[in-house]
Amino acid sequence: RKEVEQDPGPFNVPEGATVAFNCTYSNSASQSFFWYRQDCRKEPKLLMSVYSSGNEDGRFTAQLNRASQYISLLIRDSKLSDSATYLCVPPPGRDDKIIFGKGTRLHILP
Amino acid sequence: SQTIHQWPATLVQPVGSPLSLECTVEGTSNPNLYWYRQAAGRGLQLLFYSVGIGQISSEVPQNLSASRPQDRQFILSSKKLLLSDSGFYLCAWSQSSYNSPLHFGNGTRLTVT
Repeated sequence: RKEVEQDPGPFNVPEGATVAFNCTYSNSASQSFFWYRQDCRKEPKLLMSVYSSGNEDGRFTAQLNRASQYISLLIRDSKLSDSATYLCVPPPGRDDKIIFGKGTRLHILP
Repeated sequence: SQTIHQWPATLVQPVGSPLSLECTVEGTSNPNLYWYRQAAGRGLQLLFYSVGIGQISSEVPQNLSASRPQDRQFILSSKKLLLSDSGFYLCAWSQSSYNSPLHFGNGTRLTVT
């Protein structure tokens, strides 16, 4: 069973719209997660950390639902520059491994 | 502040040739270090990780190897490259404490011809 599962998309969303996608996780002991964004042919970059119930940074809101074991990312007033792949990542386990899923592709349409 | 340097940015190598990619981290001590590979259109595959000098954990059996000769230096090597080794190689570091995110280098795009 994979540690995290994400809808690979692509999500095609018009500019200015609000978009949300989820990430489900299997390890109920996980208490924090990270959202990364990866642009085409670039390295992943940390977007947000989610340590408790949620986190908000400008147009971006991340929430952690422990009961249902999922993390969500909400992007409001989407911009063309938000087009990227978004990766949900749990913290390392006891073995210090950090495993990435394939992420969710987002295309913001003009 | 902490920085991570990875080089070279791009590399074209013939099949059967050796490989050495280097990654260094500045501004922190005793980081966890990672090597990932990303094939075109695919997700990140964890290759190696290290929690200390000389401590290497391998995730995938293959013709690649990793070494950590110094606290903040991580090297990815191969004696003979295969066509299937082509990809985007990413070095990353994190604090050794729980709940610490990964920070990536700019990556090396390797093409084996």
